[in-house]
Amino acid sequence: GIQVEQSPPDLILQEGANSTLRCNFSDSVNNLQWFHQNPWGQLINLFYIPSGTKQNGRLSATTVATERYSLLYISSSQTTDSGVYFCAVGVDSSYKLIFGSGTRLLVRP
Amino acid sequence: SAVISQKPSRDICQRGTSLTIQCQVDSQVTMMFWYRQQPGQSLTLIATANQGSEATYESGFVIDKFPISRPNLTFSTLTVSNMSPEDSSIYLCSVGSPGQGAFYEQYFGPGTRLTVT
Repeated sequence: GIQVEQSPPDLILQEGANSTLRCNFSDSVNNLQWFHQNPWGQLINLFYIPSGTKQNGRLSATTVATERYSLLYISSSQTTDSGVYFCAVGVDSSYKLIFGSGTRLLVRP
Repeated sequence: SAVISQKPSRDICQRGTSLTIQCQVDSQVTMMFWYRQQPGQSLTLIATANQGSEATYESGFVIDKFPISRPNLTFSTLTVSNMSPEDSSIYLCSVGSPGQGAFYEQYFGPGTRLTVT
């Protein structure tokens, strides 16, 4: 089956710093989503981005489907950005998602 | 996006017992899924909940352990049967909402945090 790898596994930032999270996948996908899991366990949708570039405030994402990777950019990080960021992909008509192992982010004040 | 609720939000259960988790959506949805997140791990799909027919289970998950019902387009239940401490996890339901073209964007409920003692 498809492999979804996220890097780095852990990231510590000082408030105000910028960061880039990466998601590599081993096969063609028809869906790609980025989620933020907050400390209470809630999964928050960040981007639905099977291809192209999107921006939402301090966050932006780019997926290059032909090269099988996606990037999530966080600018001017805040302590509320802390949590785990997951990349998840869909590969067939079943619409199910396969999750990467996540990037655990800690933003220090 | 749809508003998704789950009950209970958390529970502590004795081994050997069963727990039924409910997932309610505020609008009709075609796709509903159940995921498990073990402590410190990523999410793993348990099954696709099909309305009016048996759920479709992923490898490693069986109906006897995780029976699922989907009586209509807004509601589903997941039962964790004959629980052991290894079943301690967060269980999340998700729904698919039409995204670009023919594909679906998934949204997740708040999760049910289960501890088995």
